Amino acid sequence: QQQVKQSPQSLIVQKGGISIINCAYENTAFDYFPWYQQFPGKGPALLIAIRPDVSEKKEGRFTISFNKSAKQFSLHIMDSQPGDSATYFCAATGTASKLTFGTGTRLQVTL
Amino acid sequence: GAGVSQSPSNKVTEKGKDVELRCDPISGHTALYWYRQSLGQGLEFLIYFQGNSAPDKSGLPSDRFSAERTGGSVSTLTIQRTQQEDSAVYLCASSLTRSLTYEQYFGPGTRLTVT
Repeated sequence: QQQVKQSPQSLIVQKGGISIINCAYENTAFDYFPWYQQFPGKGPALLIAIRPDVSEKKEGRFTISFNKSAKQFSLHIMDSQPGDSATYFCAATGTASKLTFGTGTRLQVTL
Repeated sequence: GAGVSQSPSNKVTEKGKDVELRCDPISGHTALYWYRQSLGQGLEFLIYFQGNSAPDKSGLPSDRFSAERTGGSVSTLTIQRTQQEDSAVYLCASSLTRSLTYEQYFGPGTRLTVT
């Protein structure tokens, strides 16, 4: 049973545009929602994370929007750059602390 | 500072052989996790160590998989009698403590190929 659903599977955005990746979860015990960025041949790197007591968190060009009632959260990448081209994973965890990951979104930012 | 390191970076083995994968967590991190990433798939939790507590083995796919953590630091994931479906990238992550932060930092992974 997949507990975190991620969409889209792939995304192509022009340089300077906004990239939006969506995730939905089922387990209401989840209380921490990180996003990871992964480049080919590398391990995932923590990008930004949010807890459900806030509806939005912004760090530079990256913003997480969180909707607790809908059990959804999304990553927005503003002014997308070719260097942002990577695979992005949303994840969720609760007191067990093991991460449950979405299936990933391959982002390509074109010139 | 030094991040999570894993060795080997690549491992090719024949079906039926045993393999050992090593993880060195960030110094001072008390929690250590193993995940598996199959080609084109997401990351799948395998096992979690926290301090001296009994490990959470709930993600291990079969009894051919085992892991240990010696001295609260280095961990070894062992796969016995490897099968082709074990081919994947095995990722290790560590975090400071489960009670204060869930931030997990990943190593570069070991790519395992079973022929």
